[in-house]
Amino acid sequence: NAGVTQTPKFRVLKTGQSMTLLCAQDMNHEYMYWYRQDPGMGLRLIHYSVGEGTTAKGEVPDGYNVSRLKKQNFLLGLESAAPSQTSVYFCASSSRQTSGNTIYFGEGSWLTVV
Amino acid sequence: AQSVTQLGSHVSVSEGALVLLRCNYSSSVPPYLFWYVQYPNQGLQLLLKYTSAATLVKGINGFEAEFKKSETSFHLTKPSAHMSDAAEYFCAVSGYSGSARQLTFGSGTQLTVLP
Repeated sequence: NAGVTQTPKFRVLKTGQSMTLLCAQDMNHEYMYWYRQDPGMGLRLIHYSVGEGTTAKGEVPDGYNVSRLKKQNFLLGLESAAPSQTSVYFCASSSRQTSGNTIYFGEGSWLTVV
Repeated sequence: AQSVTQLGSHVSVSEGALVLLRCNYSSSVPPYLFWYVQYPNQGLQLLLKYTSAATLVKGINGFEAEFKKSETSFHLTKPSAHMSDAAEYFCAVSGYSGSARQLTFGSGTQLTVLP
């Protein structure tokens, strides 16, 4: 019962490098999300997707790009990493319900940009 | 527009004592409210959720929360704290923004349980 799986779990980048975080879910969920978590700020939405081939900006999208080529996968890219992007990143998914849908989270990806 | 305020970024209780974590929300539409728990180096796990049914919601691990519309609150309680309850707790409100349901999270409350 995998649920939401994120890779890699830990990564250290140098400023200016690029990388991609991969999220995979096996629950056939329509919606997928990328959040970042910073101390004292809770989780903030970066980008989200309501279905294959569609993406939208969240609260803090600058410096990130995403793609949803397959329903089960949602990729988060950093084209030119900056120290301000040091954070814990969480992927999540949910079904397309009209009320009170539960969002399921991955275990997080710790990214440090030096 | 919606927002969540969690009062107290750190709460300490003795083992066996009452746990009370406070959450106040604002929402322009009838809210759906959630409590999530995060153990160290892990993702968020749903504790309980309010979806306009019963105002007293029971969750996992003995936690419960009461929705009080007049106070715009959704405080989390547990009668007797256990050492394993030590974690960070997030309150969240769900609204309908654009074409996807999204959660707005509070800043979290770190719960410490003292022996």
